[in-house]
Amino acid sequence: GAVVSQHPSRVICKSGTSVKIECRSLDFQATTMFWYRQFPKQSLMLMATSNEGSKATYEQGVEKDKFLINHASLTLSTLTVTSAHPEDSSFYICSARDARTGGVVAKNIQYFGAGTRLSVL
Amino acid sequence: KQEVTQIPAALSVPEGENLVLNCSFTDSAIYNLQWFRQDPGKGLTSLLLIQSSQREQTSGRLNASLDKSSGRSTLYIAASQPGDSATYLCAVARSQGNLIFGKGTKLSVKP
Repeated sequence: GAVVSQHPSRVICKSGTSVKIECRSLDFQATTMFWYRQFPKQSLMLMATSNEGSKATYEQGVEKDKFLINHASLTLSTLTVTSAHPEDSSFYICSARDARTGGVVAKNIQYFGAGTRLSVL
Repeated sequence: KQEVTQIPAALSVPEGENLVLNCSFTDSAIYNLQWFRQDPGKGLTSLLLIQSSQREQTSGRLNASLDKSSGRSTLYIAASQPGDSATYLCAVARSQGNLIFGKGTKLSVKP
C-alpha cells in the first residue's frame, strides 16, 4: 500500500522558534497534500490544501504567514510553523492524494502520515 | 457547513462482544465516507471507504454502512479483541477534496 512519511514525529521547542515538518509520499506521486491539526479532544481540522507547483489554499482562520507551506515536488510538502507560540502546540498530520488518474484518484483515497506532536514551551 | 458527529465518545466492552459505532453528518451531499483507526500518538489507518453510491463495505470483522438520505453511517465490529482498542474516526469528503472528521469514538476492549 501507499506510504506517507512525516517527520519529525515529535518536536519540543522554545517560544519564538520556527519548526519545519516534512510530508513525503514514498511510493507514489501526490499533486495534492492536505495539512490537518488536532487539538486535544477535538476533531482533526483542515489547515490548508497544498498543491504541487502552486500556492497553498488556507482555511479560514489559518494565518498563511505563520504556517508556511511549500509543495515543490510531487513527493514532498513542508509545513513551517514560524515564530511558534505555546498556543500552536498541537498534533499536526498530513495526507497525500495519489496523483494517478483513474480508479484511485476517482475514489479520493488519501494516505496519512504518522503525525507530528509539537510542544512549544 | 458540514458537521460530523460520532456517538458514543467512548466505549468499553468485554472481549468477544459485537459493537456498533455511530457517525452522523449534516450535509448529505458527500463524495465518500471513510472510517479510520487512530492509535495513541500515531497516524491514521484507513479501515473502510464507502463511495456515495454504495450502501456498505466489509473488511474482515468490520462492516460499515452508509445511509446518505438520513446522514448516517455505522461501523460494526464483530467479535471484538483487545487489539481493536483505539480511537475510531469517521470522515466525509466533499467532492475530491479534504476530509471533515468527527471527534472520534475511543474504544477499549477488555480481555
